[in-house]
Amino acid sequence: KAGVTQTPRYLIKTRGQQVTLSCSPISGHRSVSWYQQTPGQGLQFLFEYFSETQRNKGNFPGRFSGRQFSNSRSEMNVSTLELGDSALYLCASSIQYNEQFFGPGTRLTVL
Amino acid sequence: KNEVEQSPQNLTAQEGEFITINCSYSVGISALHWLQQHPGGGIVSLFMLSSGKKKHGRLIATINIQEKHSSLHITASHPRDSAVYICAVNFSGGGADGLTFGKGTHLIIQP
Repeated sequence: KAGVTQTPRYLIKTRGQQVTLSCSPISGHRSVSWYQQTPGQGLQFLFEYFSETQRNKGNFPGRFSGRQFSNSRSEMNVSTLELGDSALYLCASSIQYNEQFFGPGTRLTVL
Repeated sequence: KNEVEQSPQNLTAQEGEFITINCSYSVGISALHWLQQHPGGGIVSLFMLSSGKKKHGRLIATINIQEKHSSLHITASHPRDSAVYICAVNFSGGGADGLTFGKGTHLIIQP
């Protein structure tokens, strides 16, 4: 069974731009969660989607948004990028409230 | 405030040693996860537990719900065990909330 895939793997943007990251979960997994990892703050929860509905959201500004499609694939969008948004963005999928399987991450650099 | 504390932050040991990493949390949880992150960013879920003890190969995870404490043990450690080990918890009872992470334990096993 294929693992969680994330695209792109690396991304360089400039301040003020917006970015969209994609996550394809393991087949059959309906829950997708997104996380941000930075050297200063460590891993932080962004949001979680289940069956196209956002079930929970972490403490991030409204510039961070996401959605999930009917095939469970998910995207997250960051608008008006700031330097502090440079991070590794990870998504993880699970069946529901089970063990999470992480993707390889997208490394975003904001210049 | 819902917090997750890990200790030690850094640990260097010799090959073959028995390793213990500790995790404590502030309030009741629905589940606790132990994760492993290698250089390059990929995260692997090692255990998800809500009570008792789990074992997989040379890895053992235990949790004491009353004391709000969990430990990850590695027996007969090997250089390939070198990684960052992260404790994460679901604080809400329903399990739908995102994970709250500890800051990780950077483990180095020297040959």
